[in-house]
Amino acid sequence: DTGVSQDPRHKITKRGQNVTFRCDPISEHNRLYWYRQTLGQGPEFLTYFQNEAQLEKSRLLSDRFSAERPKGSFSTLEIQRTEQGDSAMYLCASSPIKRILAKNIQYFGAGTRLSVL
Amino acid sequence: GQQVMQIPQYQHVQEGEDFTTYCNSSTTLSNIQWYKQRPGGHPVFLIQLVKSGEVKKQKRLTFQFGEAKKNSSLHITATQTTDVGTYFCAGPSGTYKYIFGTGTRLKVLA
Repeated sequence: DTGVSQDPRHKITKRGQNVTFRCDPISEHNRLYWYRQTLGQGPEFLTYFQNEAQLEKSRLLSDRFSAERPKGSFSTLEIQRTEQGDSAMYLCASSPIKRILAKNIQYFGAGTRLSVL
Repeated sequence: GQQVMQIPQYQHVQEGEDFTTYCNSSTTLSNIQWYKQRPGGHPVFLIQLVKSGEVKKQKRLTFQFGEAKKNSSLHITATQTTDVGTYFCAGPSGTYKYIFGTGTRLKVLA
């Protein structure tokens, strides 16, 4: 396993701009999660994909947030019209389905730190 | 909605002292997971507990799942500086979602 990869590692943007983050999960991991983490808090669930299907989305996720996972491989998270309150670490995690003992284990990427000025 | 709380929020210990963090869920959990996040790092899976009353050990770390499957604890014996970080518990909410606890930040003084 090469690990979960996220790009970019850091993003600084001005309020009102759109940003897009990418996550490459561990190959053959069917499940993919996006979380948001602010300083001193635990990861906060944003959305979940099983293969290419987005099966759950947090009510906290406004219409400015959208996520995709075309072909069930990499995923993108887009934030439109960014606000200062969007500043956070955005974490991606993946987990397998087929390996029964490991199917709930989430492997996290290093995250993308977003700063909105 | 479902909440997962952890206490204490912070803990400073002298190297060699023991450390315990407690996790409490507002609902019964089918399983509970523990993760460790080093300063500046990302969460790393430690363990998953499934059975009521289950106890698992990993070297100096002991994990317990409560009988009612609503609480859990992580105990570290004889802390070392490498134990520094924030420890999170996480429980499933519904079919796909995991709720992470508020975390306990551990500092170990050499």
